Amino acid sequence: DAGVTQSPTHLIKTRGQQVTLRCSPKSGHDTVSWYQQALGQGPQFIFQYYEEEERQRGNFPDRFSGHQFPNYSSELNVNALLLGDSALYLCASSVTGFANTGELFFGEGSRLTVL
Amino acid sequence: DAKTTQPTSMDCAEGRAANLPCNHSTISGNEYVYWYRQIHSQGPQYIIHGLKNNETNEMASLIITEDRKSSTLILPHATLRDTAVYYCIVSLGGGTSYGKLTFGQGTILTVHP
Repeated sequence: DAGVTQSPTHLIKTRGQQVTLRCSPKSGHDTVSWYQQALGQGPQFIFQYYEEEERQRGNFPDRFSGHQFPNYSSELNVNALLLGDSALYLCASSVTGFANTGELFFGEGSRLTVL
Repeated sequence: DAKTTQPTSMDCAEGRAANLPCNHSTISGNEYVYWYRQIHSQGPQYIIHGLKNNETNEMASLIITEDRKSSTLILPHATLRDTAVYYCIVSLGGGTSYGKLTFGQGTILTVHP
């Protein structure tokens, strides 16, 4: 049973560019959350997708957007990249509803470096 | 979500119990205490969570004080592979997935041979 998979694992972009990160949730999970983790800091919640809609959003600008597909996979898009966007981007999956166990399953992350 | 306070770092000898404290004095009645850990260069890993009662699973035990203002995560027999950052998080839980966890700085646990 595959866990949460993210791609790419590493990427380098320059300021002003746009980036798309991808996430496939754990089998049987329908909810995807995205987190940003700067070096030496704890992960910070960006947003969550359920039923192809953004359900919750953290304190991130509109440059950060996302999408969830009918197969529950998700994308995180960041436009007009800034140096401060350099971070590890984590995807976490879970189940909404009675089957929820309170546990988030995290992927290994996508390491973005903005030059 | 209630704020948590954890020591910045702790050491533990291999084979001994590691007791990681967490203060969450502003926790509300419907908020759970979650523990996650993050081994270097990996995504966070769920350890355990609880509401009021003490909880135990194959990884650890969670002791929550009666007033719920603090808790302790216990790794009964720490190994070198338990060296990681441990995050104590207070958040809504239950039957629906909110997914929004507020991570602090966590406690860096170093297990020594």
